[in-house]
Parts: sequence; structure tokens; C-alpha cells
Amino acid sequence: DAGVIQSPRHEVTEMGQEVTLRCKPISGHNSLFWYRQTMMRGLELLIYFNNNVPIDDSGMPEDRFSAKMPNASFSTLKIQPSEPRDSAVYFCASSLRGGGARETQYFGPGTRLLVL
Amino acid sequence: KQEVTQIPAALSVPEGENLVLNCSFTDSAIYNLQWFRQDPGKGLTSLLLIQSSQREQTSGRLNASLDKSSGRSTLYIAASQPGDSATYLCAVRGSQGNLIFGKGTKLSVKP
Repeated sequence: DAGVIQSPRHEVTEMGQEVTLRCKPISGHNSLFWYRQTMMRGLELLIYFNNNVPIDDSGMPEDRFSAKMPNASFSTLKIQPSEPRDSAVYFCASSLRGGGARETQYFGPGTRLLVL
Repeated sequence: KQEVTQIPAALSVPEGENLVLNCSFTDSAIYNLQWFRQDPGKGLTSLLLIQSSQREQTSGRLNASLDKSSGRSTLYIAASQPGDSATYLCAVRGSQGNLIFGKGTKLSVKP
């Protein structure tokens, strides 16, 4: 298995532009998570899906952020309009829910976003 | 609200030393606790997962312990090597499946 795939790996954009980050989870996994990592705040959960349905989006910072999971093999995180404070590394992770206390998440390599 | 704290934030040791990284959490109602490794510019790699009913897990030179009642976990690295240099993150899993992370300990092992 190729693991969790994220694209693009790096993104540089100007303030006000729309940014779309993409994620392909591990085949067969039914949960998908979006995290954001910054030096100040560390790794924070933004939103997660179970069976393509958003379960908890309380970590999404504001209405400029939106996430979708149209099918089990693809998810997007969109920022519109982008701001310099959105600069961070965005990680996608997937897991097989139902493993109980043995359940572990597998992380993608991340997308490094810089908003100028 | 669950909070995870890791101490120290950074650690530098000479090669060959045994070392301990610490993690504490405020709510003992966890499903499991995981230790991850993150190399610069890379994603996270899971090292060890301790289920809530377990006390410790071992993998090679790594040993992780869990004391739920006191809200603490330690990661013990034996005979450290320069290749162990990385940031080590502790995360606890709640009932909803989401992970809550500490800010990590940046480890540097000097040859």
C-alpha cells in the first residue's frame, strides 16, 4: 500500500487566494482526519470524517475553512480566502475505525502551505 | 478538555546514553496512548501504541509505559544513536477517535 497520499507537498500563494489541499487515505480505512501543525500551537485536529461523514469540525478555525469527503478514497481541505496566519503544515491521516483501543492513525507526508 | 504536555521540549545527549521522554495528560479517560516520531520536513511515524488496559509496550530499544491513574507516560530509549535524532510526539486517543497531541520533545543525539 502506498500509504496516505497528500498533494501538493508544497504550496505558496498570495493572501486572498483560494487554496485546495488533497488527500487520498489508505484503501479500506473508514476514518479520515485533517490536522494542522504550527510552531506555536503544535498539532491540532481540524476535522474528521467517519464513513465519509463529518463527525467533528469544531477544530476548523473559521468559515474560511471547509472540508469535503465525496467518497471513501478522496478528501479536500479548502481555504478561501487564504491569510498569512494560515501558513502551516497540514496533515491528513486515516485509520480503520472499529479497532477499539488498538486503533492507530497513519499520517501522510503533509502539505507545507505558505501564504504571503 | 484533554491537555497533553511533554517535558522537556528539547533534549541533547551523547551517543550511547539511555534517556527518558515524559508525557502527561489531564483526563485519564483515554482509549490509548501513542508515541510518534517526526523527522524534519516529514510526516509522523507511529512508534508504539499502548492500549488503556496495558502498562507498557516494547519495540527494540524503545519502551513506553502508561500510568493512567496519574496521567503519565514515558518513552525510554536505550543506547541512543544519532539516527534517533528527531521530534517525539505523544498523543492520546479519546472516545471519538481523534488524537490529542503534545507539542513534542526535540531529541538530538550527538556522535
